[in-house]
Amino acid sequence: QQQVRQSPQSLTVWEGETAILNCSYEDSTFDYFPWYHQFPGESPALLIAIRPVSNKKEDGRFTIFFNKREKKFSLHIADSQPGDSATYFCAARRGGSNAKLTFGKGTKLSVKS
Amino acid sequence: EAAVTQSPRNKVAVTGGKVTLSCNQTNNHNNMYWYRQDTGHGLRLIHYSYGAGSTEKGDIPDGYKASRPSQENFSLILELATPSQTSVYFCASGAWGANTGQLYFGEGSKLTVL
Repeated sequence: QQQVRQSPQSLTVWEGETAILNCSYEDSTFDYFPWYHQFPGESPALLIAIRPVSNKKEDGRFTIFFNKREKKFSLHIADSQPGDSATYFCAARRGGSNAKLTFGKGTKLSVKS
Repeated sequence: EAAVTQSPRNKVAVTGGKVTLSCNQTNNHNNMYWYRQDTGHGLRLIHYSYGAGSTEKGDIPDGYKASRPSQENFSLILELATPSQTSVYFCASGAWGANTGQLYFGEGSKLTVL
């Protein structure tokens, strides 16, 4: 079963708008929630991450909002730029130091100018 | 700079043949992972390892074996390749702390099974 659900599958925004990507999970033992991005032809790379003790994490134009009660988290990309066009994956970690990471199916973001 | 290298980068195999995908990391990370990426499915975990000599089943292990002979090397083995295993395979190494950690991915290996 899908342990980490991600939506939408694809998203198009105009330059300067805020893109919002959503994820939800089921397993309460997940303890770390990163977002990865992947540009065409490249490998996934870590963008930003949050632990459930926090409800918000910011890094420049990228912000994670986390709702532990509802088991949901989202990535907001403010002032979207064409260079942000990529596929974004949310993920959830279980297992501490011997962890495994479970990914969502991804959101393909296109930023139009 | 952390480095994870995969070989081969491209492979065409025949149905029923044996395929070995190799991964080498110079990060000195204990944990290594094999994922496959397919459109509409994202990244799915096949096998992973906590250290030399250990392998664990991931979420979709059927049809795959893994081998971790050393800290640096982690292989994915398809004993009898099938067309459904046509995919892009990513190896990654990872180190985790209580508040941090990430996976470092290799460049990917594109496998086509005819």
